[in-house]
Amino acid sequence: AQKITQTQPGMFVQEKEAVTLDCTYDTSDPSYGLFWYKQPSSGEMIFLIYQGSYDQQNATEGRYSLNFQKARKSANLVISASQLGDSAMYFCAMRGPGWKAGTALIFGKGTTLSVSS
Amino acid sequence: NAGVTQTPKFQVLKTGQSMTLQCAQDMNHNSMYWYRQDPGMGLRLIYYSASEGTTDKGEVPNGYNVSRLNKREFSLRLESAAPSQTSVYFCASSEGGGTGKRYGYTFGSGTRLTVV
Repeated sequence: AQKITQTQPGMFVQEKEAVTLDCTYDTSDPSYGLFWYKQPSSGEMIFLIYQGSYDQQNATEGRYSLNFQKARKSANLVISASQLGDSAMYFCAMRGPGWKAGTALIFGKGTTLSVSS
Repeated sequence: NAGVTQTPKFQVLKTGQSMTLQCAQDMNHNSMYWYRQDPGMGLRLIYYSASEGTTDKGEVPNGYNVSRLNKREFSLRLESAAPSQTSVYFCASSEGGGTGKRYGYTFGSGTRLTVV
């Protein structure tokens, strides 16, 4: 069965510092996709970054990068130069096996990031 | 703005009452999903619809029913609400199939449901 594990319930970082949020996954399928979402206190789910299992390079989107270590089955999110607005819940998610229609996302339990000035 | 629209945003129900959560998307997506979010549990899949005319159970379907009314709309019904169904409910949609983030997922803003 597929599973996403986020072991850090809460993380604290100071403004302008970098922070890494951990995510490990379990799947027996060679084809999968990994996502990170941000959920601020207002509640909406904001897509941050995506990594496909066959992508040769780690994904980057502005201050966000994904440290993809396939052999270790880890997909850690790195936020560089943290800002106060980065304070939120962060979810790692995986698209289930295959690419057929209706393949749902499987979510981890989330990590709450708090950025202080 | 294009996206996924959920109604209502907030609802309080008494135990045993019924209600339907509405979801509509205007992105011509094939697939739609219902999740619930509880503290410390992440998002868990309740039901999904791979395409118009099909629905399937997810991880936590008990106590819920769904209807894929047409390609745009996917509703979630609680026939007899229980306090354990107090949660935040998210609807999402995706194109379905293919690879890459182009086939990513768009979420609605959520419905906060309290059952007393």
